[in-house]
Amino acid sequence: AQSVSQHNHHVILSEAASLELGCNYSYGGTVNLFWYVQYPGQHLQLLLKYFSGDPLVKGIKGFEAEFIKSKFSFNLRKPSVQWSDTAEYFCAVNTYNQGGKLIFGQGTELSVKP
Amino acid sequence: GAGVSQTPSNKVTEKGKYVELRCDPISGHTALYWYRQSLGQGPEFLIYFQGTGAADDSGLPNDRFFAVRPEGSVSTLKIQRTERGDSAVYLCASSPETGPGNTIYFGEGSWLTVV
Repeated sequence: AQSVSQHNHHVILSEAASLELGCNYSYGGTVNLFWYVQYPGQHLQLLLKYFSGDPLVKGIKGFEAEFIKSKFSFNLRKPSVQWSDTAEYFCAVNTYNQGGKLIFGQGTELSVKP
Repeated sequence: GAGVSQTPSNKVTEKGKYVELRCDPISGHTALYWYRQSLGQGPEFLIYFQGTGAADDSGLPNDRFFAVRPEGSVSTLKIQRTERGDSAVYLCASSPETGPGNTIYFGEGSWLTVV
């Protein structure tokens, strides 16, 4: 069965620090990859997604992620975080034989200190 | 409304009781999904509908859980004989259609507490 692993449970950064959140998935076939964000008290929102083509995907709010097929990874990055980026981040995978069903990782809580 | 709407937002029930959670998807979205999220975990897939039919119910944990979408719009998740382990946030989501790569839009969830 497909699974998604997020390496960091809780990350604490100061403002202006660079961010990289790890995500690895287990599935040998074609995948679509997503990062969702959940701000405190809000619903899950899509940050960015990868379907095909350029493995470097840019999303909202200055986030980007790189799909490295050989490493089964889809790490999320941001060059300079802000206090407003404090949230929980979820990586998710969807495969072609499962319709629209998403499999989520366990999430990474990001705390940005002002 | 503009987004996925879920009611109730909070529900406290006694162990053994029956609970219904309602989801109103984004207008025109044919696919509807139910997920469950426990504290400190990512959303766990339960079931999804394409139109009125359940296309994949492989995530329902046992036969106490059931979901319907009789007219292809609003869906109800039904939990019988609730147990304390059912306490979680139940998330509903919808997308314009099923199929890989579609963006799924989530509601704010229904917080269920079984005491």
